[in-house]
Amino acid sequence: AQKITQTQPGMFVQEKEAVTLDCTYDTSDPSYGLFWYKQPSSGEMIFLIYQGSYDQQNATEGRYSLNFQKARKSANLVISASQLGDSAMYFCAMRGQFNAGNMLTFGGGTRLMVKP
Amino acid sequence: NAGVMQNPRHLVRRRGQEARLRCSPMKGHSHVYWYRQLPEEGLKFMVYLQKENIIDESGMPKERFSAEFPKEGPSILRIQQVVRGDSAAYFCASSLNTDTQYFGPGTRLTVL
Repeated sequence: AQKITQTQPGMFVQEKEAVTLDCTYDTSDPSYGLFWYKQPSSGEMIFLIYQGSYDQQNATEGRYSLNFQKARKSANLVISASQLGDSAMYFCAMRGQFNAGNMLTFGGGTRLMVKP
Repeated sequence: NAGVMQNPRHLVRRRGQEARLRCSPMKGHSHVYWYRQLPEEGLKFMVYLQKENIIDESGMPKERFSAEFPKEGPSILRIQQVVRGDSAAYFCASSLNTDTQYFGPGTRLTVL
């Protein structure tokens, strides 16, 4: 079975500062993928970034980077230079390659609030 | 290139009625997934389909829920005899192969 844990229900960050959202995972799959999605108050799910378990480098997409520490089973999202529009729920998700088929397993989410 | 389309965006049903939720995947995508989100929770997997085939329905309730993805037309998630506990946001996602899943805007179902 796969499990994703996001231990921060809510986070505040000052505008223009960086923030790290925590995500730890558990899986028996030898190969897996890790994802982060953003859900603003309007409700849609927006794909942010992907990290493969065998990728040599940490993934980056603009202001988003993924701090992947395989031995610690963590995949934290780092948002640099926070903007007011970053205020949203953020979900970490995992997909196993073999044992769990193709479905995504989601964490409970972290609500990020950016202060002006 | 249009994203994943879902309709309706909001659906209100009375207890005992049927709910039909539609999902059109991104162009070229043949993999479709349905997820349910209860308030203040993460998404929970329901079913994974490819054209005309259900690949994994391990997250679907055993009764009243069904899904299809016909050769032509959108994927349909059907909930028969809805109950208040079915009130949730239902998200559809699609992928090209077994890679990144892109989500639609969701359908918010309210059961009165």
